[in-house]
Amino acid sequence: DAGVTQSPTHLIKTRGQHVTLRCSPISGHKSVSWYQQVLGQGPQFIFQYYEKEERGRGNFPDRFSARQFPNYSSELNVNALLLGDSALYLCASSPGSIIRGNQPQHFGDGTRLSIL
Amino acid sequence: AQSVTQLGSHVSVSEGALVLLRCNYSSSVPPYLFWYVQYPNQGLQLLLKYTTGATLVKGINGFEAEFKKSETSFHLTKPSAHMSDAAEYFCAVSPSYNFNKFYFGSGTKLNVKP
Repeated sequence: DAGVTQSPTHLIKTRGQHVTLRCSPISGHKSVSWYQQVLGQGPQFIFQYYEKEERGRGNFPDRFSARQFPNYSSELNVNALLLGDSALYLCASSPGSIIRGNQPQHFGDGTRLSIL
Repeated sequence: AQSVTQLGSHVSVSEGALVLLRCNYSSSVPPYLFWYVQYPNQGLQLLLKYTTGATLVKGINGFEAEFKKSETSFHLTKPSAHMSDAAEYFCAVSPSYNFNKFYFGSGTKLNVKP
């Protein structure tokens, strides 16, 4: 079975632009979460979505938004890009609506976003 | 508020030596605890998790971790390091009262010397 897939793998943008990152969860998984991993740091939680609804949000500005589609895939949008948005963006999927201990998250390989 | 502290951003061991990676958390209520491994240019792979029950948890690739409530710790160990264990390791917590958030430590890079 395919794992979590993310596209694109690499992206270069300039300040002020916007970007859309895409994630397809593991088949049968209904929950998708997004994380930002700045070089040298651990992943920071951005959003969790389940059944097309936002179920959790981290401490990120409103420039960050996301949505989930009926097929459970998801998009992360970032507007007015800043240099500090350069990071690896990770998507994770899990079967249920809440992150229980018996439903650990499965991560994709991420999208490397570079802002010039 | 939840926080996760991983002591030592870099740990170096010889092949065959004991691996010990430290993780402490702060939480008023014992959370769910996880260890993930990340290889270069890849996402995170779950090594093991603690939810409830037995405090010594065994994971993949010979790793194990012990939950110590009194010490608010969840250290990761492996009796004998292998070259393939060289990677970055992240400890993470999910509050048991708010499953919709997940907090990672800053990571520990493990180097294994031949």
